[in-house]
Parts: sequence; structure tokens; C-alpha cells
Amino acid sequence: QVKLLQSGAALVKPGDSVKMSCKASGYTFTDYIIHWVKQSHGKSLEWIGYINPYSGDTNYNEKFKSKATLTVDKSSSTAYMEFSRLTSEDSAIYYCARGNWGYWGQGVMVTVSS
Amino acid sequence: DIVMTQGALPNPVPSGESASITCQSSKSLLHSNGKAYLNWFLQRPGQSPQLLIYWMSTRASGVSDRFSGSGSGTDFTLKISSVEAEDVGVYYCQQFLEWPRTFGSGTKLEI
Repeated sequence: QVKLLQSGAALVKPGDSVKMSCKASGYTFTDYIIHWVKQSHGKSLEWIGYINPYSGDTNYNEKFKSKATLTVDKSSSTAYMEFSRLTSEDSAIYYCARGNWGYWGQGVMVTVSS
Repeated sequence: DIVMTQGALPNPVPSGESASITCQSSKSLLHSNGKAYLNWFLQRPGQSPQLLIYWMSTRASGVSDRFSGSGSGTDFTLKISSVEAEDVGVYYCQQFLEWPRTFGSGTKLEI
């Protein structure tokens, strides 16, 4: 069955970067884009961007263009998101989701604290 | 960006009663192909969001027929008939007509 398995929680310092992963299984990785979504504590969902695993093409929400970098490793069917220059505002849960939103990862909790 | 505005529910909703959640978009989500580019999700406590409805009214695989979606180009409704305990959580609408994809602020359902 389709699964998106995300990496574990991260505690990072302000100004640092964090890279999280989303490993896909149960389908052909290159057939669907991967979205990334941010959910701040108790708040709604924000779309960060997507990456096309087949071509490597990306599309970012303007709000996150200077913050997020999306990449993939086709050999391991894994998508990555790196978030840079972290501040307390970046503390949130980050989800990956497959193309048509039918499958989501379990989320990665990122805490930015000194 | 397209702004999605959701209404609140008069919580708690008695078990067995129906509940309707509204969502309004700042721009018509009706495509020239006749389809409304609107999704509904449920996020149960401590879980990832789950797709319930796509194209405004098509239930996702495995979703109970107690859930139904309707609407026009800018006004949408998710109806839950005979609310059950497992329906508790936050419901989100989302437009997928334009980039960036945008979500409503969420509507909490309590029983």
C-alpha cells in the first residue's frame, strides 16, 4: 500500500537549517508530485511547494521561496525539504503529501529554540 | 492568492445529528471543464489530514457516504449526516485551481 514515511522530530537552533525526508513506497515514485505543507501549532495549513520527482521541477509558494529547498533522490524514492535560517516562526509540523492529496506523511515536528 | 473562508459549527453537535460546514472562496473555483477545484480534508486529533472529498463532491476512496459535498463557484458545503464520534476533528477546505494552493482556517467539530 502507499506510504509516505517522514523523518523524526528535530530540535534546532535559531539561524540553523534543517533537512527532513519523505520516503515513498507502494507506488512508482516518479508518477506523482510531492507537496510540502506547514502547520503551525494549532493553526491551519500552508502550502510550501511541490517537486516533480520525474523532472526535478519545483514550484514554491512565494512566501517560502527564500526559506525552503525541495529535492529528491529517485534511487531511494525519497523527497527532501531543507528549511534555512530558522526562526521561532518556523516551529511547526511539516507534512509531505502525494500529488492529488490522497496520501500524507505522518508529519515532522520542528522546534526552533536556543 | 485565493482566500478560503470557513464558517464555524455550533459545537457540540449531538451524535446522530447532521452538520454542515461552509467554505467560501475569494474567486470562483469553477473551471471551464465544469469542475470545481475544491478539496475537503479531515484532520483528527494527533493525525495527518485525510482527503474526504475532491472536485467539490466526489468522495475519496473508503470515505463514508455520510459525507457529501456541494456548492457553486464560490460557496461550498460539506455535509455530514448522522455525526459519529469518529468524525471529531478539524475540517479544512482547499482550492487547487491556482498556485499557491490555499486552505481555509479550519472548522472544528465536537460531539
